[in-house]
This record gives sequence, C-alpha cells and structure tokens, in this order.
Amino acid sequence: KAGVTQTPRYLIKTRGQQVTLSCSPISGHRSVSWYQQTPGQGLQFLFEYFSETQRNKGNFPGRFSGRQFSNSRSEMNVSTLELGDSALYLCASSSRTSGNTGELFFGEGSRLTVL
Amino acid sequence: AQTVTQSQPEMSVQEAETVTLSCTYDTSESDYYLFWYKQPPSRQMILVIRQEAYKQQNATENRFSVNFQKAAKSFSLKISDSQLGDAAMYFCAYRRDPSNQAGTALIFGKGTTLSVSS
Repeated sequence: KAGVTQTPRYLIKTRGQQVTLSCSPISGHRSVSWYQQTPGQGLQFLFEYFSETQRNKGNFPGRFSGRQFSNSRSEMNVSTLELGDSALYLCASSSRTSGNTGELFFGEGSRLTVL
Repeated sequence: AQTVTQSQPEMSVQEAETVTLSCTYDTSESDYYLFWYKQPPSRQMILVIRQEAYKQQNATENRFSVNFQKAAKSFSLKISDSQLGDAAMYFCAYRRDPSNQAGTALIFGKGTTLSVSS
C-alpha cells in the first residue's frame, strides 16, 4: 500500500506570493491533517480535514487555508507569503481505526523556502 | 492548554547501550494518548510507541519501552541495545480526547536529536 504522498517536495517562493501544497493520503484514509515544522517553533498543528470538512484548526492566521476533496486528497494554501513561512510542511493521514488509536501516518513533507 | 516539554535537545549513546529520552506534559484531562515519534534524517516521521493514559501498564515495542508516570505527568522513552539506525530526532506528542470525533490533532514537544556512535 502506498504511503502518504506530498508534492512538491521542494519549492522556493518570494514574499507576497502564494503557494499550494498537495497531499494524497494512504488509500482508505479519510482524515488528513497538516503540520508546520520549523527549527524555532517545532511542529505545530495547522488543520485537519475529515470527509471534506475541516474538523480542527490550529492557531494560524487566515493566510493559511486548506481543503479536502471527495477522494480524500488534500491541499493547503498559503497566501501573501512571509519569510517566516519558510518551513517543512508535513501531511499526515489516518483511518477511522488508526485515528481511534491515535496513530498518524506522515508524508515526507514539502520544504518551502520564502525569499 | 496542553503543553509538551522535552528538556534534552540532544542526546548521544553508543551502540548496544541504553538511553532514556525525557518528556513531561501538562494537561487537566484524565483521558488522553501519548506518543513517541521518530523522524530520521530522511524526514518521514514514524510512530515508535503509544500509551493510553487509562492503562497503568507501560507500553513496550521490542527495544523501545516507556516509563509512564501519570501523576507526575512524565513519559520517558527508553531505547535498549541502541543501533545506528536509531539515530534520529524523537518527538514526544500528546493527543487529547481519544474519541475519534474530536479529531487527531497532536501537540508535539520540540524534539530530542539522538546520535548513535559505533
């Protein structure tokens, strides 16, 4: 079974631009969550989607948004990029079974650099 | 709000030795999950071990075991017979409310980088 796939793996943007990151969960997993990882702040929860609905949201500004499609694939968007948005963005998926036990399956991440 | 603290930014161990990584957390809830995740240099995070707060018995997975002290809000990870492949960043994580209805959001500590020498 294929794991969580994130695209693109690396990208470079300039301040003020916007970016869209994509995540394909493990087949059958309906929950997708996003995390931002930086050296200073560590891993911080962005949001979670389940069956196309946002179920949970972290403490991030409205520039960060996401959505989930009917096939459970998810995208996150960051508008008006700032230097501080440079980070590794991790996507994680879980099934109803694994979600009940708390296990998340992570992708390798998308490394965003904002210049 | 719940918090997770890992007080050891870096740890080192020699092959075949035992190392313990520390984690403390703060919560007012009585039911929750605790996890240790491993993030090797390739970056994909994987689950090492999980502990349900209502279980008194400490979880064990092969060479990995935890010391869960609920009253002290402490959750340390012991790695026995350390191997070169154990070198990674280790994150302690907390999840409130095991009910799947509440979502799966994790609160992570800042991580401990473990190096293993031969």
